[in-house]
Amino acid sequence: DGGITQSPKYLFRKEGQNVTLSCEQNLNHDAMYWYRQDPGQGLRLIYYSQIVNDFQKGDIAEGYSVSREKKESFPLTVTSAQKNPTAFYLCASIPRGASYGYTFGSGTRLTVV
Amino acid sequence: GENVEQHPSTLSVQEGDSAVIKCTYSDSASNYFPWYKQELGKRPQLIIDIRSNVGEKKDQRIAVTLNKTAKHFSLHITETQPEDSAVYFCAASTISGGYNKLIFGAGTRLAVHP
Repeated sequence: DGGITQSPKYLFRKEGQNVTLSCEQNLNHDAMYWYRQDPGQGLRLIYYSQIVNDFQKGDIAEGYSVSREKKESFPLTVTSAQKNPTAFYLCASIPRGASYGYTFGSGTRLTVV
Repeated sequence: GENVEQHPSTLSVQEGDSAVIKCTYSDSASNYFPWYKQELGKRPQLIIDIRSNVGEKKDQRIAVTLNKTAKHFSLHITETQPEDSAVYFCAASTISGGYNKLIFGAGTRLAVHP
């Protein structure tokens, strides 16, 4: 998967349940990003992180939380506060200070049941 | 914040024709503009990119042009083939609080008919 792995590929969430999406990279990239993609729409930024133990809210952070305890890992938790979580979630990474060469994971498709 | 607008939302062409997709951005400090191709259910794949110090870049049948003054950039695909059918996204890189981030357009669904 080009050095960045997302799991699971498909995830089903019940109403009121928190779920965590995994994103792991072995590219030694400092910066990691989470995007949400709804059908027929573009990618919207949820959270991003440039260094360990630091992260910033993107445009649609409400109802989501992240952590960055290790450089390689940037898990995303979709909380019960996110009322419409059904979407395709993409994780990406780039070297620190770079604005080019985003590497995307293969995505997680989350569905509320 | 940065906003990227992309047009058209759908584009249908005959095989062999050219396709042009246009994007505008709002942050004059943006300095990097990639284009991604996404097939159904797959991750976006970078197909070409351009930096703000360059006006045009070509890679075989694909070219991108950038007009910094007008804050718009375009993707040109010549001699289109059915395998070019996909959703194409433009993006602009912006810096906020020392953090680089890509802001994406809404996408263009390109259909190439044999």
